[in-house]
Amino acid sequence: DTAVSQTPKYLVTQMGNDKSIKCEQNLGHDTMYWYKQDSKKFLKIMFSYNNKELIINETVPNRFSPKSPDKAHLNLHINSLELGDSAVYFCASSKRGLNSPLHFGNGTRLTVT
Amino acid sequence: AQRVTQPEKLLSVFKGAPVELKCNYSYSGSPELFWYVQYSRQRLQLLLRHISRESIKGFTADLNKGETSFHLKKPFAQEEDSAMYYCALSGGGDDKIIFGKGTRLHILP
Repeated sequence: DTAVSQTPKYLVTQMGNDKSIKCEQNLGHDTMYWYKQDSKKFLKIMFSYNNKELIINETVPNRFSPKSPDKAHLNLHINSLELGDSAVYFCASSKRGLNSPLHFGNGTRLTVT
Repeated sequence: AQRVTQPEKLLSVFKGAPVELKCNYSYSGSPELFWYVQYSRQRLQLLLRHISRESIKGFTADLNKGETSFHLKKPFAQEEDSAMYYCALSGGGDDKIIFGKGTRLHILP
């Protein structure tokens, strides 16, 4: 009965490859997010979708493309992976509204070699 | 522009001593403030939010609009409090929640 689940948990790949990370939430939330946590543990928002509509895009390179087939899913596809993409990527969801906290997935640790 | 500042990267405190994790914010309107915690090998989770005015695991945080601060406090540190703590702010109409850079709290035995 995991609330926000991400797959895979670990992803090791070479530079130049294309990879996807999947996220699903069963909380009935309308809003989903992708955050990137770098090696210094700095957490930065990348994208946010509300009801399948993109509402936040934080100047992320075009190589990153989120896709939301329905409001319970938000996937992240990354083209032409670079060394600097190595990080932990967290999916999160929330209800709409300022007071609504985020519910996070376990994270996907991406290592680009 | 919205900004959350956590001035301490690492805070080491002896078990039983008081803890204060600092958080200052910059926002022109009325923000919602949160503290999130990430224990070792676990997911980020909400610790508390200012609107609830609650104490969770002995932690409290008071929003001080004059000083634009939302410091996290606990009177007596416990070893299980060792974790990464993030202060977060939500204030825009786009539901964006931004995070500070985090403070690693290390409780010494």
